Amino acid sequence: NAGVTQTPKFQVLKTGQSMTLQCAQDMNHEYMSWYRQDPGMGLRLIHYSVGAGITDQGEVPNGYNVSRSTTEDFPLRLLSAAPSQTSVYFCASSVRGGVDGNTIYFGEGSWLTVV
Amino acid sequence: GQQVMQIPQYQHVQEGEDFTTYCNSSTTLSNIQWYKQRPGGHPVFLIQLVKSGEVKKQKRLTFQFGEAKKNSSLHITATQTTDVGTYFCLNNNDMRFGAGTRLTVKP
Repeated sequence: NAGVTQTPKFQVLKTGQSMTLQCAQDMNHEYMSWYRQDPGMGLRLIHYSVGAGITDQGEVPNGYNVSRSTTEDFPLRLLSAAPSQTSVYFCASSVRGGVDGNTIYFGEGSWLTVV
Repeated sequence: GQQVMQIPQYQHVQEGEDFTTYCNSSTTLSNIQWYKQRPGGHPVFLIQLVKSGEVKKQKRLTFQFGEAKKNSSLHITATQTTDVGTYFCLNNNDMRFGAGTRLTVKP
């Protein structure tokens, strides 16, 4: 059972380039989300999805797009990378988020550097 | 949503000393979860607290949920080097994490 799989693990981008961070889960979870983690800032929610075809913004959505065409996949797109987007990105999933309080499972993270 | 406030941001202890991290919310929480992230790793679920005044224990770790369900704490008794990492609380109302408490342990 792979759980939550993120790719790539490491990436260096030049300012203005675009890229997609891939995320897939094989647990049939409805809820998926993306967080970024910066030193001293904890985990900040970028976007989330409560099911296929439904996405919504989190705390820090600017500069990122997401889509949820299937239950399994939740890619995060950077359309024009900026140095401020240098961070560690975590994809996460759970049966259902919010007040149901289900355990969140995290991918191993993607280290992104924008130069 | 209101992010839960977590303190302290850093804590350095001598092995064998106790450690406590606190999370506080201005609004009532339906439940709260705690996660641990080892250096270079990803957050891993520790526990969920749901009931007012709830106390749960996992070996040397004790988790508490306040009577008003606005605060929570994680206490580690007699820390070990394996406890090193960052501990986060999660407000399940809005899926937002506290800023985390980074624990370092000196052998």
